[in-house]
Amino acid sequence: DGGITQSPKYLFRKEGQNVTLSCEQNLNHDAMYWYRQDPGQGLRLIYYSQIVNDFQKGDIAEGYSVSREKKESFPLTVTSAQKNPTAFYLCASTSGVNTGELFFGEGSRLTVL
Amino acid sequence: GNSVTQMEGPVTLSEEAFLTINCTYTATGYPSLFWYVQYPGEGLQLLLKATKADDKGSNKGFEATYRKETTSFHLEKGSVQVSDSAVYFCALSDKGGSYGKLTFGQGTILTVHP
Repeated sequence: DGGITQSPKYLFRKEGQNVTLSCEQNLNHDAMYWYRQDPGQGLRLIYYSQIVNDFQKGDIAEGYSVSREKKESFPLTVTSAQKNPTAFYLCASTSGVNTGELFFGEGSRLTVL
Repeated sequence: GNSVTQMEGPVTLSEEAFLTINCTYTATGYPSLFWYVQYPGEGLQLLLKATKADDKGSNKGFEATYRKETTSFHLEKGSVQVSDSAVYFCALSDKGGSYGKLTFGQGTILTVHP
């Protein structure tokens, strides 16, 4: 079945550590996105990539980094510079058609101890 | 900039009750509008969408109509089920920007009791 796979599902981090969240898709979609979800708030865009080897900052990119070396993969690194990293992180993708329809992974919950 | 405002939650209903979740938006131009649903422990999935004024999106008994004059996209269902318990997000896509760069509302938690 085609879809988006995020891992790990749960992750615990000590302060000062960098962590990388994995996102893989087999939908052959060009564009991929990382959103952050906090309780009582909508999703906020961290980074997005419309093509391999290219990506753009979203609304809350500070303290995060990404890479897009392959079409299928879009990993997100949460660095120690992110002041409040505890959140639910969602990866999504969409095709090259201007539909705005996103396909989401099941998310990764990061907790900083 | 773009923004989406949803009614405050949580919303608690009995099975077979009528559901309305209000959504209003602010955007330049003519955005596409969406409702996404998030079941417990899962990512979001598209529920319905409308791409131009007066369009009605519908799916699984849910409906929403794109009202340009009131900048609204309220979600309705005539008879809810326990399985509809989830978080519902209203969102918009500015057609002039990246096609997956959505602006989301804060989400409305719906709980349906038997």
